[in-house]
Amino acid sequence: SQKIEQNSEALNIQEGKTATLTCNYTNYSPAYLQWYRQDPGRGPVFLLLIRENEKEKRKERLKVTFDTTLKQSLFHITASQPADSATYLCALDLRTGANNLFFGTGTRLTVIP
Amino acid sequence: DTEVTQTPKHLVMGMTNKKSLKCEQHMGHRAMYWYKQKAKKPPELMFVYSYEKLSINESVPSRFSPECPNSSLLNLHLHALQPEDSALYLCASSPTRTGGPEAFFGQGTRLTVV
Repeated sequence: SQKIEQNSEALNIQEGKTATLTCNYTNYSPAYLQWYRQDPGRGPVFLLLIRENEKEKRKERLKVTFDTTLKQSLFHITASQPADSATYLCALDLRTGANNLFFGTGTRLTVIP
Repeated sequence: DTEVTQTPKHLVMGMTNKKSLKCEQHMGHRAMYWYKQKAKKPPELMFVYSYEKLSINESVPSRFSPECPNSSLLNLHLHALQPEDSALYLCASSPTRTGGPEAFFGQGTRLTVV
């Protein structure tokens, strides 16, 4: 069966440091991988998408890498701020020919001032 | 308009009640989704509508019944729910898989079954 796992349930880092979150998947080769942010009691918000033929994508302080051989994506937040504290979710489409989005287990990031 | 609007925001219902959750988007997206999210867990995919047709049903019990009356609206009809069905129900939309897979989510309906 398909699995999407994020390595840490929770991650605490000091303000100003780089946060690195990991997403691993098995048994599938997705065409793209997405990262979302979710604040408590709210819906997820799309952050970045990376396609299978892209190694790296950047947006402001965010960077995503995608290694289809390792079946892994890394999500980096540089110069982290307390406002970055949230749960971060990776998401994949796990079936061809259909619109679908399955989420990883999530990492709750806390940036300590 | 880049919003997905869900109503109601909160719902308390008894196990014998029938209620409906509503979702609306005016972004011209042709894929719409229902997710269920329990506390401290990721969203779980329930249903996907693609071009107003049900394309995915993730083995959801029949007490949950989705409906897509048109390309802007998505409903989730609830009947004879159990207390363990209490959760945050999220609606999302995306252009299509080929047109752009990133999903836009509503704020959710917090459902409590008593």
